[in-house]
Amino acid sequence: KAGVTQTPRYLIKTRGQQVTLSCSPISGHRSVSWYQQTPGQGLQFLFEYFSETQRNKGNFPGRFSGRQFSNSRSEMNVSTLELGDSALYLCASSPPGTQGHEQFFGPGTRLTVL
Amino acid sequence: SQQGEEDPQALSIQEGENATMNCSYKTSINNLQWYRQNSGRGLVHLILIRSNEREKHSGRLRVTLDTSKKSSSLLITASRAADTASYFCATDALAGGATNKLIFGTGTLLAVQP
Repeated sequence: KAGVTQTPRYLIKTRGQQVTLSCSPISGHRSVSWYQQTPGQGLQFLFEYFSETQRNKGNFPGRFSGRQFSNSRSEMNVSTLELGDSALYLCASSPPGTQGHEQFFGPGTRLTVL
Repeated sequence: SQQGEEDPQALSIQEGENATMNCSYKTSINNLQWYRQNSGRGLVHLILIRSNEREKHSGRLRVTLDTSKKSSSLLITASRAADTASYFCATDALAGGATNKLIFGTGTLLAVQP
């Protein structure tokens, strides 16, 4: 099976712009989670989608949003970018089941905000 | 912060030596997982240990879990240069409901010198 894919891999934006990141989970996986990784805050949970519904949300401002499509692909959007949004954004998918499974991570999207 | 703590933050050893890293977490859990990350790329799942297990082995990896102390350790035996990476523990939340949300530790950077 193909792994989790994320596009684009690298992105450079300026403050105030918005950005959309995409994640395609492993075939058959219905849960997609997003994480932000920065040197200062480490790995922080953003949100999780399951069957097109947001199942859980981390402690991030409303500028961060996401959605999931019927084919389980997910997008996250960040509006009004700030310098502090520069980070590696990782998505992960999980096999069918409720919880407690290993997660399969994509290679990440490296976002730089200038 | 809900984030777990790992120690040491960094560890440098010679090839062939064993590496031990520790993780402490804050809430009751269903399971604890360990992940590896190479140079700011995606995370790779190493091993999952459930809250009713005390020890688990996978190849050169040995994980222990002490739920009374809310701590876990990862032992890598006979380390190789290819083991050079950051290692993260991650927990779910027992009271989290149906979710795959993970809470990550701060990570240990392991450098294995050839």
